[in-house]
Amino acid sequence: AQSVTQPDARVTVSEGASLQLRCKYSSSVTPYLFWYVQYPRQGLQLLLKYYSGDPVVQGVNGFEAEFSKSNSSFHLRKASVHWSDSAVYFCAVSMWDSNYQLIWGSGTKLIIKP
Amino acid sequence: AQTIHQWPVAEIKAVGSPLSLGCTIKGKSSPNLYWYWQATGGTLQQLFYSITVGQVESVVQLNLSASRPKDDQFILSTEKLLLSHSGFYLCAWSLLLSGNTLYFGEGSRLIVV
Repeated sequence: AQSVTQPDARVTVSEGASLQLRCKYSSSVTPYLFWYVQYPRQGLQLLLKYYSGDPVVQGVNGFEAEFSKSNSSFHLRKASVHWSDSAVYFCAVSMWDSNYQLIWGSGTKLIIKP
Repeated sequence: AQTIHQWPVAEIKAVGSPLSLGCTIKGKSSPNLYWYWQATGGTLQQLFYSITVGQVESVVQLNLSASRPKDDQFILSTEKLLLSHSGFYLCAWSLLLSGNTLYFGEGSRLIVV
């Protein structure tokens, strides 16, 4: 069965520092991969998605993610975080053999220190 | 451009009272529609999805029901609320192209007292 793991429930980073949020998935085939962000008291917004091609995919607001087939990972990165990046970040996957139903990670809460 | 609107934004309801939450999508024909529930702490739980008018599939019921009376409308309801229904309800739409990318509404916050 497919699954998604976000091993870090909370990540604290200083403003201006770089960021990596981890996501690992379990699947026998390469799935569609997504990162979403949820700001306080709001719905989820798509940051980026990946299926094929260049393993580094660019998203909105300076975010990027790198797909690694060998590690079954899709980590999210940002070179320099801003206080406004404080939010919860969700990784998700979908696959044709599950009728493309999204499988979600448990989320990582990002806290930015001034 | 596509827009998704959820109503109400927030509600405080008594245990045992009825509930109806709504979601409308404009600018997209025949989307897939979803209801998600998010408890405090953030884990997302898919409740229902619908690929066409009149057809709704249940993933986890939680003593809730859903209906799709129009192509652009998705309703979540129950006749008797439980304390455990408290949380954040999110509606989303997608097309099966591009791996089923979901686009979410702003959510409806429900507090059951």
